[in-house]
Amino acid sequence: DAGVIQSPRHEVTEMGQEVTLRCKPISGHNSLFWYRQTMMRGLELLIYFNNNVPIDDSGMPEDRFSAKMPNASFSTLKIQPSEPRDSAVYFCASSLYSGYGYTFGSGTRLTVV
Amino acid sequence: GQQLNQSPQSMFIQEGEDVSMNCTSSSIFNTWLWYKQDPGEGPVLLIALYKAGELTSNGRLTAQFGITRKDSFLNISASIPSDVGIYFCAGRDTGNQFYFGTGTSLTVIP
Repeated sequence: DAGVIQSPRHEVTEMGQEVTLRCKPISGHNSLFWYRQTMMRGLELLIYFNNNVPIDDSGMPEDRFSAKMPNASFSTLKIQPSEPRDSAVYFCASSLYSGYGYTFGSGTRLTVV
Repeated sequence: GQQLNQSPQSMFIQEGEDVSMNCTSSSIFNTWLWYKQDPGEGPVLLIALYKAGELTSNGRLTAQFGITRKDSFLNISASIPSDVGIYFCAGRDTGNQFYFGTGTSLTVIP
């Protein structure tokens, strides 16, 4: 199994631009999670999906952030417009079900200048 | 949200020494997980614990699910340079939500 695949690995963008992060979960996993990691705040859960349905998006910082999971093998996290304070590493993780241990992707390091 | 206190925040040890770190929560958890994160990579699951009192090993790593269900411990025996990284605990509450600790940064001096 290739594991959780995220793209791009690195993204540098200018403030105000739209950013789209992509994730392919492990085949057969029913739950998908988006996390943000910063030095100051550690790992923060942004949103998670069960069977492609968003269950809890209370961690999404504000309306500039949106996430979709159109099918079991693909999810996106979009930031529009991006701001410098969005700079962080964004991780996608998947698991067999929401109460099971996660497998993380390698992350997308986002820098907004 | 739930707060997980992980300690110590950082450790500097000599190669060959044993390492201990722990994680405590303010409420009961049903699952404890321990992850390791290498620079530039995502966290990798090391050990999962599902029952109070459970003691599980993975090579030189041993973790325990505290009997109060509010804490967990991770021990690394005979540390080696490749043990360097950040170790995270994560706990699952009764609502199936996972919470992560703030991490323990481990440096092993050859």
